Parts: sequence; C-alpha cells; structure tokens
Amino acid sequence: DIVMTQSPDSLAVSLGERATINCKSSQSVFYRSNNKNYLAWYQQKPGQPPKLLINWASIRESGVPDRFSGSGSGTDFTLTISSLQVEDVAVYYCQQFYTGWTFGQGTKVEIK
Amino acid sequence: EVQLVESGGGLVQPGGSRRLSCAASGFAFSTYWMHWVRQSPGKGLVWVSGISSDGSTTDYADSVKGRFTISRDNAKNMLYLQMNSLRAEDTAVYYCARVRPGPFQYWGQGAVVTVSS
Repeated sequence: DIVMTQSPDSLAVSLGERATINCKSSQSVFYRSNNKNYLAWYQQKPGQPPKLLINWASIRESGVPDRFSGSGSGTDFTLTISSLQVEDVAVYYCQQFYTGWTFGQGTKVEIK
Repeated sequence: EVQLVESGGGLVQPGGSRRLSCAASGFAFSTYWMHWVRQSPGKGLVWVSGISSDGSTTDYADSVKGRFTISRDNAKNMLYLQMNSLRAEDTAVYYCARVRPGPFQYWGQGAVVTVSS
C-alpha cells in the first residue's frame, strides 16, 4: 500500500499570510502514460464531509478560490494557501489514487 | 444537483451487524464507481470499500475484508454496506462517496456507527 505522510500535523498562520502543507508518498504516484500525478487535496471543516479542492496535484476544482494552489510531482507535493482567510480554518488531507485510495493523516490549519 | 444521503447508522453491540444505505440522486448512478470512506472520532479518513458501476467488481480495505460487503442497486440508485462482526475500532462516521473519476468528488453527510456494549 502507498503510505501518505503530511507535514506538519498542524500550523498556525496569521491572517493574510501564506500557509504551506507538504505531502509525501511512499512511492511515486506519477503515471508516465498520461503525464499525470494521481494526487488530490481535500479540505474538511468541523462537522462537514471533506471537500475536493485540487485534482491531479495542481488542478483547482470549480469554485475553489485561486489562493489555493497545488504543486509537486512523483512523491513530493505541496498545498499552498497564499493568503489565509478565516474561512480557510480546517483540516487538509492529501490523497493518492494511483493504486487504491489512501489519505494522509491530515494537517490542521489555524489562525495565529 | 448531486446528492448522497446515508442512513442506517446507530449503536450496535460488538459482534453485531449493521447495514448502511446511501441514496444517490442528481447523476447517472449506474455509470460511476461508488465508495465508502470512514472517519473514526478525531481521526483521519480511511477508505473502506469500493464497487464498480455495474457491481461486478468490489474491493475492500484489509481491516474490513471478510466482515463487510458492499453492494448496489442501480435500479434504485442505492449503495449499501453490510457490516458484520463489528468491533469497537469500527466506530466511525461512514461516508458514501462518488469518484470524479479519480478522487472523491462528492460526499454524503455521513452516518455515525458506534460499536459499544
């Protein structure tokens, strides 16, 4: 099984500042035949189901603010919130869907 | 509008059984793989089981293999999870989810299953 490891487990960022979350997979999730990374990012707020933010490592879902961006390839990925807003307080998960579906342990983002 | 509505959660004794249901609407249910994902209290997300669009292929996490059975009724737009031999560690919110394909694009609100005596 592919293991997904996120860092940090939590972070506190001032409003308007940048938040960066890292995700590392135990093996590559890059599929050469279609040049795609099988990696997604989700946001989960308390009492709600997860919301898909980013697909294929860097493609924002419709309606997701452009302050959210995803990058990386192979085994190392990053979710960046360029200017943290109050409504961004949540737990963020990365997920691989290259082989089966496994999630990272989550990163809790709070306001400093 | 895509909607996924879970039902069937509740309190069950260790060793007991429970069947979860997920009513789907707003999309062509019979053309999508469907999945169950769970989240234990205060914990992260764990994929549990998935089923192909026609129901011919199923897959399970090792932790539930042999105890849980996923099924679907495409005529009724329904997804099911039969859970047997339940353990305390199966206590969780169980989400029904539809793939995009690829990642899970749509999620239900979840059904809470508590395994306790």
